[in-house]
Amino acid sequence: NAGVMQNPRHLVRRRGQEARLRCSPVKGHSHVYWYRQLPEEGLKFMVYLQKENIIDESGMPKERFSAEFPKEGPSILRIQQVVRGDSAAYFCASSPPETGVVGEQYFGPGTRLTVT
Amino acid sequence: QKEVEQNSGPLSVPEGAIASLNCTYSDRVSQSFFWYRQYSGKSPELIMSIYSNGDKEDGRFTAQLNKASQYVSLLIRDSQPSDSATYLCAVNPGGFKTIFGAGTRLFVKA
Repeated sequence: NAGVMQNPRHLVRRRGQEARLRCSPVKGHSHVYWYRQLPEEGLKFMVYLQKENIIDESGMPKERFSAEFPKEGPSILRIQQVVRGDSAAYFCASSPPETGVVGEQYFGPGTRLTVT
Repeated sequence: QKEVEQNSGPLSVPEGAIASLNCTYSDRVSQSFFWYRQYSGKSPELIMSIYSNGDKEDGRFTAQLNKASQYVSLLIRDSQPSDSATYLCAVNPGGFKTIFGAGTRLFVKA
């Protein structure tokens, strides 16, 4: 199954450290989305990227969070100076390039971030 | 008002019954609607998408959309214990965002 891949699957960071989450979309998909999910809550949209472009980052906190999707390599969500409130599951999803409108999305297994 | 609302449940149905999951959304211009299933500790999995008013059937699943009432539902016929999961309603109100509801937990009793 050459689906969306995320790593690491689990990440533990101490407060103040940096967390770097990686996502490789389905082969041929050029649209990547990042979501955050707190326990017992729904998915919260964070950012939408295409290759080398951030299209919509309205769901991402202005400070400490950044995302990129370079021409080569995976998409990366970076959280600087993590705090306990950043502990959550972070999911990446991708969709194929022919959709000009947001359509069906395929999710990776997620990265569970724990901040101690 | 939340943009996408679902009852959190749990919704409990006996095996073989019909499970009915409901969702309302606030943005009238929304055009794309999706149902995802999420097992505990796993990632969401797309099970249905619907774009026009009416019913759309796929195996034991039927999605129903009523844009005038801003209402979308998912029916699961002949429910099985393996259907026990959280079902997320998702709506694209235009642009690049997809808005997810908090999900309804379904429990199918054997």
